[in-house]
Amino acid sequence: EVQLVESGGGLVKPGGSLRLSCAASGFSFSSYTMNWVRQAPGKGLQWVSSIDSTSSYMYYADSLRGRVTISRDNAKTSLYLQMNSLRAEDTAVYYCARALHDSSVTSDYWGQGTLVTVSS
Amino acid sequence: QSVLTQPPSVSAAPGQKVTISCSGSSSNIGNNYVSWYQQLPGTAPKLLIYDNNKRPSGIPDRFSGSKSGTSATLGITGLQTGDEADYYCGTWDSSLSAGVLFGGGTKLTVL
Repeated sequence: EVQLVESGGGLVKPGGSLRLSCAASGFSFSSYTMNWVRQAPGKGLQWVSSIDSTSSYMYYADSLRGRVTISRDNAKTSLYLQMNSLRAEDTAVYYCARALHDSSVTSDYWGQGTLVTVSS
Repeated sequence: QSVLTQPPSVSAAPGQKVTISCSGSSSNIGNNYVSWYQQLPGTAPKLLIYDNNKRPSGIPDRFSGSKSGTSATLGITGLQTGDEADYYCGTWDSSLSAGVLFGGGTKLTVL
């Protein structure tokens, strides 16, 4: 069974940093592109970033580029999102999601999400 | 405001059929696959349709997808109260700001 479990969310002050983690199990993690998608309270889905299976390609949403870094550790079957210079508008539930395959960014399995709250 | 345009809400009675549209442009829907997601209240999104019209294992054939030009449509037949949810379309955008796009979401109410 595919499982994705996010962690690392919490309350952080504006300008602060946070590192989100996603522990993956139940599939061959090193063969899939992985995605981060966020959802602000009461709002729609917003793609954040994607990374291919070998970390050769990373993609970022324009609004976040320069403030976030996606990475992965295939040996630990884990995905990460380092977020810096956080703003109030970054407050959201952050979902880790597996892509259909390494040539796709369509997310077929999603974690339960971790809440990031940016507030003073 | 999302680049992919969906109606904010649709409604229909149990047993009826409903369609949800998703309108984009040549840089996204026009030249890339479309996917559809269902998000039940308080839960993570779930993939319903991928590659325009394919259903993942376990998704009933009451759900269907189609694409024509720069628009895509999700169809749901035999509506059930359990289908009440938010529905999102998604695709890749090949413009200079390349990345994944989601529609603004459509709230389905089963009356």
